[in-house]
Amino acid sequence: DQQVKQNSPSLSVQEGRISILNCDYTNSMFDYFLWYKKYPAEGPTFLISISSIKDKNEDGRFTVFLNKSAKHLSLHIVPSQPGDSAVYFCAARPSGSRLTFGEGTQLTVNP
Amino acid sequence: KAGVTQTPRYLIKTRGQQVTLSCSPISGHRSVSWYQQTPGQGLQFLFEYFSETQRNKGNFPGRFSGRQFSNSRSEMNVSTLELGDSALYLCASSLAAPPDTQYFGPGTRLTVL
Repeated sequence: DQQVKQNSPSLSVQEGRISILNCDYTNSMFDYFLWYKKYPAEGPTFLISISSIKDKNEDGRFTVFLNKSAKHLSLHIVPSQPGDSAVYFCAARPSGSRLTFGEGTQLTVNP
Repeated sequence: KAGVTQTPRYLIKTRGQQVTLSCSPISGHRSVSWYQQTPGQGLQFLFEYFSETQRNKGNFPGRFSGRQFSNSRSEMNVSTLELGDSALYLCASSLAAPPDTQYFGPGTRLTVL
């Protein structure tokens, strides 16, 4: 049972435009959500997180939106840069329990 | 501060063999989690350790085992290797358990022939 799903395996955008990565979850007990970025031959690195008491969190070019009623999470990158090309994983956890990761979305930003 | 280190980085084994992977967390971190990454499957949770105790275990067969030492270093062992065990094995550390933000190592790429 895949409780965290990233339905788009890949996304391609032009440099300078907005990248929107999506994530859906099924477990209503999830209360903390994160995005990680992964380059080839490296481990995932933490990008941004959001608690369920918020609906938006911003850090520089990265903004995460949480829609609890739709059980939907999205990551916006504005403006996109070629160095943002990587696999992006969303993750979620219920209070007091472990993280569950999605399958990942390969983002390619074209110069 | 040094990051999470994993050894070895690459490993080739044959079916039926066993393997031990090692993870050294960030200094001061007491929680270590292990994940298996395969194409299209994302990061599948293996186990989580905190203060030498296994707190959580994922849905993997008993061939997969792990432990954590008093210095928070962790090892995972896979016995009787199968072709399907070929994957990137990632270790992540965090200050506390359950973990909020986890910091990942570069992973060990295991190939089973």
